[in-house]
Amino acid sequence: QVQLVESGGGVVQPGRSLRLSCAASGFTFSSYAMHWVRQAPGKGLEWVAVTSSDGNDRYYADSVKGRFTISRDNTKNTMSLQMNSLGAEDTAVYYCARGKGRVTAPQAYWGQGTLVIVSS
Amino acid sequence: EIVLTQSPATLSLSPGERGTLSCGASQSVTSNYLAWYQQKPGLAPRLLIYDTSNRATGIPDRFSGSGSGTDFTLTISRLEPEDFAVYYCQQYGTSPYTFGQGTKLEIK
Repeated sequence: QVQLVESGGGVVQPGRSLRLSCAASGFTFSSYAMHWVRQAPGKGLEWVAVTSSDGNDRYYADSVKGRFTISRDNTKNTMSLQMNSLGAEDTAVYYCARGKGRVTAPQAYWGQGTLVIVSS
Repeated sequence: EIVLTQSPATLSLSPGERGTLSCGASQSVTSNYLAWYQQKPGLAPRLLIYDTSNRATGIPDRFSGSGSGTDFTLTISRLEPEDFAVYYCQQYGTSPYTFGQGTKLEIK
C-alpha cells in the first residue's frame, strides 16, 4: 500500500533554514509527481510546491518562491523540501502528497505530516 | 493566482439531509481540474472528487461533483454521521495550485 512518511520538522528560529524529507513506498515513485502542502495551526490548506516525476519541472506557491526548493531522488524514493529564510508565517504542518503522472493532478495520497514551528 | 471562494463557511445539517457546498473561482479553471477534499480533525485530507466530477477510489456514491469554468459544487446526497468534517476545493490546472478556505459541515 502507498506510504508517505515525512520527517525533519521541529522548532527553528526565524531566518534560519530547515530541510524536510518524505520517504515513499508501496508504488513506483519515479512515475508520480509529488507535492508539499501545508496547514498552519487552525487554518486551511495551502499548496506549497510540486515536482514532476523526473524532477525536471517544479512549481511553487508565490508565498515560498525563492525561499523553498523542492527536490527528489528517484533512486532513493525520497522527496525533500529545503526551506530557507523561515518566518513565523511558515509555521505549519507540512504534508507530503502523491499526485499522478502529470503535475496537473490532485493529491490522492497523503502522509501524516510533520510540524514546523518558527519561533525564537 | 486563481482564488477559490467556498460557501458557505459553515453548513449546519442533520444526518440524512442533502448537503450542497459551493466553490467559486476568480478565473476559469483550466480543463475543469477541480478537486474536493475532506479533512477530519488531526488527520490528513482525503481526496473525494477529482477532475470536477470523478470520485476517487473508495469514495461512496453519495458524494458527487459538478460544475465548470468558475462555478463548482460538491453534493452529498444523504449525510452520514461520518461526513461531518471540513471540505476544501482545489484547482490544479494552473500553478500555483490553490485551495479554497474550506467549508465546515457540522451537525445541526
